[in-house]
Amino acid sequence: RKEVEQDPGPFNVPEGATVAFNCTYSNSASQSFFWYRQDCRKEPKLLMSVYSSGNEDGRFTAQLNRASQYISLLIRDSKLSDSATYLCVVRYNAGNNRKLIWGLGTSLAVNP
Amino acid sequence: EAQVTQNPRYLITVTGKKLTVTCSQNMNHEYMSWYRQDPGLGLRQIYYSMNVEVTDKGDVPEGYKVSRKEKRNFPLILESPSPNQTSLYFCASSSDRVFTGELFFGEGSRLTVL
Repeated sequence: RKEVEQDPGPFNVPEGATVAFNCTYSNSASQSFFWYRQDCRKEPKLLMSVYSSGNEDGRFTAQLNRASQYISLLIRDSKLSDSATYLCVVRYNAGNNRKLIWGLGTSLAVNP
Repeated sequence: EAQVTQNPRYLITVTGKKLTVTCSQNMNHEYMSWYRQDPGLGLRQIYYSMNVEVTDKGDVPEGYKVSRKEKRNFPLILESPSPNQTSLYFCASSSDRVFTGELFFGEGSRLTVL
């Protein structure tokens, strides 16, 4: 079983739609959780951190469920510019290293 | 402008010909790391460095070397490249003092080894 698993998609949605991605992780010692965005052939960029109480940034809402070991990302009112791959990232400490485990990503295509 | 700069961005080379991919950051970050990204395998850490002269292996260090002689630079060295090192490579940095999980990535170096 992969340490971090995501539905690869692709998710094809029309503009204005609401779309949700889930991500499960296997290491219960995981301490921090993040969503990164990666455009085609570009570098990943932090979209948002995921806090235990859930957090929102504009049209984006992230949730964490530690008991079930999953993270979610909700995008409301999708824009064409939201088309990208969304990477779920989990961190735990491994000695001196801030160990980041990356999911393979969920591909989103927002269509006009 | 805060950035991580990698060079070269694209490289085609042949088996066994030593090469170096440079990485430089201007954010005074202590933590730097190299990743490779391959289809179906995602991002995997090659090496990381907590500070000058401090480096350590990540998950896939075989065939690679790194050095950290200055805080801003973290070159990746392939002493004898092989075709299985064909990949997209990313250098990343982060402030170690308050690690928020935000890694700043370079634009990537696409390497092909024939």
